[in-house]
Amino acid sequence: ETGVTQSPTHLIKTRGQQVTLRCSSQSGHNTVSWYQQALGQGPQFIFQYYREEENGRGNFPPRFSGLQFPNYSSELNVNALELDDSALYLCASSFGEEKETQYFGPGTRLLVL
Amino acid sequence: QQPVQSPQAVILREGEDAVINCSSSKALYSVHWYRQKHGEAPVFLMILLKGGEQKGHEKISASFNEKKQQSSLYLTASQLSYSGTYFCGTPDDTSGTYKYIFGTGTRLKVLA
Repeated sequence: ETGVTQSPTHLIKTRGQQVTLRCSSQSGHNTVSWYQQALGQGPQFIFQYYREEENGRGNFPPRFSGLQFPNYSSELNVNALELDDSALYLCASSFGEEKETQYFGPGTRLLVL
Repeated sequence: QQPVQSPQAVILREGEDAVINCSSSKALYSVHWYRQKHGEAPVFLMILLKGGEQKGHEKISASFNEKKQQSSLYLTASQLSYSGTYFCGTPDDTSGTYKYIFGTGTRLKVLA
């Protein structure tokens, strides 16, 4: 186990609703990245936070937003949910210069109906 | 553009060897390898850095050819636990914004 936790584990929402997913980093890690993984696909980078600032962003619309808190835990918010947002959402934590050695949480499976 | 991995899928018998390749159209500064079992999160296997430094915590090896923009993962004497989907990953800031990109993935199945 990596020490990275995510909540909730599963979630069902309807189109147009908003959702907040949470991630608790591994102890000592100050960087968190969020990924979307559709069934049968590889993870797609949403964004990364380093010391509470957005450090990079993938090709996702602004309705995908995030926060990182002083304790380095993080939230992913998705507004105006669409059917295609159904996926496994993964967060990964890492530290400093080895920010790309990422330790993943178990993920939140989101279903949008 | 995401790195392309080959083969897309491979089936092995226990004890056999396999090589998984990762090719990028852009310069690679570092490459990471992850394994993801069905229904689970990706697990970090190894990092390869420019200059040949490798860091990993599993009994696997990898190579990194910066000139050819390629990396290869070597699985020797495969075990049943090696089954899963393998991804290479690399940072990309060529667009001026940091991104992390995973490769297309290679599904590996080890049979008893």
